Amino acid sequence: AIRMTQSPSSFSASTGDRVTITCRASQGISSYLAWYQQKPGKAPKLLIYAASTLQSGVPSRFSGSGSGTDFTLTISCLQSEDFATYYCQQYYSYPITFGQGTRLEIK
Amino acid sequence: QITLKESGPTLVKPTQTLTLTCTFSGFSLSTSGVGVGWIRQPPGKALEWLALIYWDDDKRYSPSLKSRLTITKDTSKNQVVLTMTNMDPVDTATYYCAQHIVATIFNWGQGTLVTVSS
Repeated sequence: AIRMTQSPSSFSASTGDRVTITCRASQGISSYLAWYQQKPGKAPKLLIYAASTLQSGVPSRFSGSGSGTDFTLTISCLQSEDFATYYCQQYYSYPITFGQGTRLEIK
Repeated sequence: QITLKESGPTLVKPTQTLTLTCTFSGFSLSTSGVGVGWIRQPPGKALEWLALIYWDDDKRYSPSLKSRLTITKDTSKNQVVLTMTNMDPVDTATYYCAQHIVATIFNWGQGTLVTVSS
């Protein structure tokens, strides 16, 4: 199975900050990568797929980049509603696998 | 509007078989490229993908759980059923069903917490 490793596992930031979360695949996955946001007690929500395609309805402050093994999720100007846990997920091959999550907390 | 909802027992005993049903609306499991799958999340832990069934009845399973899982669909009822045998306390988790489109998970159910305890 392809292992997905996110960094950092958690960090604190302030409203208005620009933040970047990284995700590394244990082998090349082309652009078969998605990012999800999960808030406590809620189901995950798709933010980005195909590494950089913004899902309909997701604010443009979210962006994704990368291909192969290294990927990033960037939030350009943090809003209060963005404090959550973020997961990357590869769908290049089965089994589908997720990263361990990055918890973004308010500083 | 696409919705998915999980149903099944909230408490199962060790060694029992868990049966979960996903009832969905707003899309068809007869459409090419569409699938419905299951993902779980133990309390405070990360997401773990379990299984997926496609419109053409192609089925995919997590290798680590394959021997315990069965996924089936009833297209006429807009339902997908997951069974997991030989439940153990480590299987305690929130179980989500989700719409997949060529393996990308676009829409999720609200999840159902299943506790395994005697």
